[in-house]
Amino acid sequence: GAGVSQSPRYKVAKRGQDVALRCDPISGHVSLFWYQQALGQGPEFLTYFQNEAQLDKSGLPSDRFFAERPEGSVSTLKIQRTQQEDSAVYLCASSLLDRGTEAFFGQGTRLTVV
Amino acid sequence: AQRVTQPEKLLSVFKGAPVELKCNYSYSGSPELFWYVQYSRQRLQLLLRHISRESIKGFTADLNKGETSFHLKKPFAQEEDSAMYYCALARLDNNDMRFGAGTRLTVKP
Repeated sequence: GAGVSQSPRYKVAKRGQDVALRCDPISGHVSLFWYQQALGQGPEFLTYFQNEAQLDKSGLPSDRFFAERPEGSVSTLKIQRTQQEDSAVYLCASSLLDRGTEAFFGQGTRLTVV
Repeated sequence: AQRVTQPEKLLSVFKGAPVELKCNYSYSGSPELFWYVQYSRQRLQLLLRHISRESIKGFTADLNKGETSFHLKKPFAQEEDSAMYYCALARLDNNDMRFGAGTRLTVKP
């Protein structure tokens, strides 16, 4: 497919469990973003990559959150020792680096921590 | 970091009425501004961007640097416009993009 793909679509984790969320961006897209969207809220910035470089991780809520993009394409967002407050939809988006370029979003991964 | 504010969480209008969704931003550099829309059960998608000065589905938005605003307007709302609307700002130097909290627009028949 040509769009941004995220997996899994849904994830139920027991409190304390580690999870890994995957994002396959559009081929050739330099920029990759992770956002957290709580119910009824807008996408909250987590982290941003340009190719394999993580330029900004200021939005990661705690040191339990870790993101990587080792080869500048696929990215993984890992959450260790999940807590109930981590329950949200995690959105990935990718874009070219050109000025004013559109960000393309995946369908998101809905994480529920029980 | 840049910040985007959408003061209205909910906005309800009747079909055929004008609609304006407000967006204000704070950023010291040159911003690139966008409106994204999320229809029910669909992914976020671009509605319009200020750089192209386009009108999409009858919506327009003008960047007002003096007021640091980028309000979205449509003269005659349609029921199919009901959705969540997000204003977003990207930095010119590195494309880092941040979103507002969103406004849920409901167009009543």
